[in-house]
Amino acid sequence: AQRVTQPEKLLSVFKGAPVELKCNYSYSGSPELFWYVQYSRQRLQLLLRHISRESIKGFTADLNKGETSFHLKKPFAQEEDSAMYYCALSGNAGGTSYGKLTFGQGTILTVHP
Amino acid sequence: GAGVSQSPSNKVTEKGKDVELRCDPISGHTALYWYRQSLGQGLEFLIYFQGNSAPDKSGLPSDRFSAERTGGSVSTLTIQRTQQEDSAVYLCASSLATGMTEAFFGQGTRLTVV
Repeated sequence: AQRVTQPEKLLSVFKGAPVELKCNYSYSGSPELFWYVQYSRQRLQLLLRHISRESIKGFTADLNKGETSFHLKKPFAQEEDSAMYYCALSGNAGGTSYGKLTFGQGTILTVHP
Repeated sequence: GAGVSQSPSNKVTEKGKDVELRCDPISGHTALYWYRQSLGQGLEFLIYFQGNSAPDKSGLPSDRFSAERTGGSVSTLTIQRTQQEDSAVYLCASSLATGMTEAFFGQGTRLTVV
């Protein structure tokens, strides 16, 4: 079974401080990991995926297979980063992947001025 | 269309009534997913469509829930004899193909059962 755990429901930081949103997963195969973000009154949208190895809005996330983690990091948080963040996993069940996402419970990030 | 569209945005219904939630995916997207977002449960997968077929219905919580997709486009999620625990935001997502392509989400339908 696949599972995604985000241990922090709430995370508060001050503007300019570093931020790290934790995500751990369990999956026996080779998962694809994603971070989705939902800003206030907006729809859920993809922030980044591990296969792209890209930095979006200053955020990065590295897949650590040894620790089964995919933590989201940003060195200097901005007020506009305040949002709900979901870590998600897409597995390769039975050799066929069809994009079904298993989400963590989400972390509400608040960046104070 | 410009994005995934869901209707209605909000629905209040009486316990025991049936409701239908609609999803218009992005044109050309073959894969369509329904999720439910509720307090304390996070985002839960309900059902997946590839074209008009639903290879994975494993997330539907009970036989009161059903979904269909016609013409490889519009999908309808039906909840019969609604219960208060069905209250949640129902999200639809579509993607260009199966696999690791990006899923685009609709704005959701907020269902309140009173």
